[in-house]
Amino acid sequence: DAGITQSPRYKITETGRQVTLMCHQTWSHSYMFWYRQDLGHGLRLIYYSAAADITDKGEVPDGYVVSRSKTENFPLTLESATRSQTSVYFCASNGGAGNTIYFGEGSWLTVV
Amino acid sequence: RKEVEQDPGPFNVPEGATVAFNCTYSNSASQSFFWYRQDCRKEPKLLMSVYSSGNEDGRFTAQLNRASQYISLLIRDSKLSDSATYLCVVNPGNTGKLIFGQGTTLQVKP
Repeated sequence: DAGITQSPRYKITETGRQVTLMCHQTWSHSYMFWYRQDLGHGLRLIYYSAAADITDKGEVPDGYVVSRSKTENFPLTLESATRSQTSVYFCASNGGAGNTIYFGEGSWLTVV
Repeated sequence: RKEVEQDPGPFNVPEGATVAFNCTYSNSASQSFFWYRQDCRKEPKLLMSVYSSGNEDGRFTAQLNRASQYISLLIRDSKLSDSATYLCVVNPGNTGKLIFGQGTTLQVKP
């Protein structure tokens, strides 16, 4: 079934380690997004991409790196994880301006 | 000022009540508007788009007031299953990027 999938769904890692969260969509949507959601802050945009090889910072990009070599994949890397990056991470995609955004099921990340 | 603002609630209402949520946005050039629903520990899902003339989907009615930069969601005859967080979402320009409000939590009680 077509959709947007994230992996891993749950991850515990140690401070200072590199972690990559994967996101894959099967709709060929041009736009892809990474959000984090924390209590009291709602959904905050980390990075987004308008197309393959085009990425841009969102509201809270520090400490994160993204790439988009293929339209369907948009991995998010925490280069050196910190406890403040403990959060739920949602990947999302849409086909362009005015279009509905669809979310993956989320990746629960705990940094200890 | 946040780009999209909502009253976080929580709104605690009895079954059968009518409840309204409001949302304001700061960018007057915003083009598209949506309401999303998010259940606990789940991803947000589209509830309904918001059209300039207002639109209804069963018990749910969405309104847009461009002059006041204001969006509303009305839920009639609340059900226990309506308990969730409702997110106001705005497309501020001519891109696919969407801005989310913090969400309004609704708890419907028997």
